[in-house]
Amino acid sequence: DAMVIQNPRYQVTQFGKPVTLSCSQTLNHNVMYWYQQKSSQAPKLLFHYYDKDFNNEADTPDNFQSRRPNTSFCFLDIRSPGLGDAAMYLCATSRPGGSDYSNQPQHFGDGTRLSIL
Amino acid sequence: AQSVAQPEDQVNVAEGNPLTVKCTYSVSGNPYLFWYVQYPNRGLQFLLKYITGDNLVKGSYGFEAEFNKSQTSFHLKKPSALVSDSALYFCAVRPTRDSGSARQLTFGSGTQLTVLP
Repeated sequence: DAMVIQNPRYQVTQFGKPVTLSCSQTLNHNVMYWYQQKSSQAPKLLFHYYDKDFNNEADTPDNFQSRRPNTSFCFLDIRSPGLGDAAMYLCATSRPGGSDYSNQPQHFGDGTRLSIL
Repeated sequence: AQSVAQPEDQVNVAEGNPLTVKCTYSVSGNPYLFWYVQYPNRGLQFLLKYITGDNLVKGSYGFEAEFNKSQTSFHLKKPSALVSDSALYFCAVRPTRDSGSARQLTFGSGTQLTVLP
């Protein structure tokens, strides 16, 4: 089945130690998103890619970076994790939907739960 | 900027009874509206969306939602609840292409639905 896969499901890192979360998709979708979700709160969009076009949200901390080497893969890099960065990180994809991808549903992976020691 | 309100943090309903999860929104121009469901330690799953046309939208697993423009609401409904429907439900809004507003998908705070056997 086509899907969005996030690895690992659980990640533990030390305060200040860089960590990378990965996301892959077999849906061949042009758009990929990274969200942060804390304690069953609403997901918060960090950034998204339309193909290789990177779109950063204004309030995403500089500590968070992303790479998309090809259509299938996208990475979230946290350069110096703080205790406040402990959360579930969700990757999602969507189709372009013609000229407006806003009306396309997003397909989510099962997330990576990040813990900071 | 757009916003979504889910006024109930928790909804309890007996199995077999109808359920309603409420959502109201605020957006410049016309909205795209979505419902997602999240089970514990899983990503969000798309249930249904309103783009245009018929105000009553039918989605997955027997869920439906009614778009009411005058009340700016998009309540999620199901005629007969199942215990397996117990989960966290998120309403989300995005302005349409022509609105000129930021086109990020904005989620409500979520409603925990518990269906009692």
